Amino acid sequence: QKEVEQNSGPLSVPEGAIASLNCTYSDRGSQSFFWYRQYSGKSPELIMSIYSNGDKEDGRFTAQLNKASQYVSLLIRDSQPSDSATYLCAANTGFQKLVFGTGTRLLVSP
Amino acid sequence: DTEVTQTPKHLVMGMTNKKSLKCEQHMGHRAMYWYKQKAKKPPELMFVYSYEKLSINESVPSRFSPECPNSSLLNLHLHALQPEDSALYLCASSQDRRGTGYTFGSGTRLTVV
Repeated sequence: QKEVEQNSGPLSVPEGAIASLNCTYSDRGSQSFFWYRQYSGKSPELIMSIYSNGDKEDGRFTAQLNKASQYVSLLIRDSQPSDSATYLCAANTGFQKLVFGTGTRLLVSP
Repeated sequence: DTEVTQTPKHLVMGMTNKKSLKCEQHMGHRAMYWYKQKAKKPPELMFVYSYEKLSINESVPSRFSPECPNSSLLNLHLHALQPEDSALYLCASSQDRRGTGYTFGSGTRLTVV
């Protein structure tokens, strides 16, 4: 079982819709979770971090964490074509060790 | 300064060459990382330096040799690479405490011919 799992997609949503990206992790000891956005040919960019159960909102982005279910999600409201990218979920599976999921490709159509 | 700077951006090298990748940050981060990313795959951890000391080596072949001359600089020395080592090499840095996200550099696109 992979440590961090994501559906590879693509997830297609129309402009203005809510995009919902999901991630599960296997290590119950993981305490910190991150969402990175990566455009094709570019490096990952940190967009959200979450450590506690519940929701965390930042602008159009909301991260959700459920440690009992070992589940992390990212909601993008009012999706824009510029949000089209691969979204990587990552978990701290040990001190100094950040493990990435395979990423979900998001396509937002105008 | 909130950036991690990597040079060069692109590198083509032969299998008998020796080259180095460089990474620099001035955010006061005490942990620095090398990741390797193949096309359509997630980044894979190679090395971690904490307070200028190598703390994690993810069983990386010895043809990759990391070096941390000081708290702001990280190098990756390359020697006798194989074509399958062609990838995007990413440097990252973070505060050296649990729960902090990494800041990535723009990467070096390496092609081994």
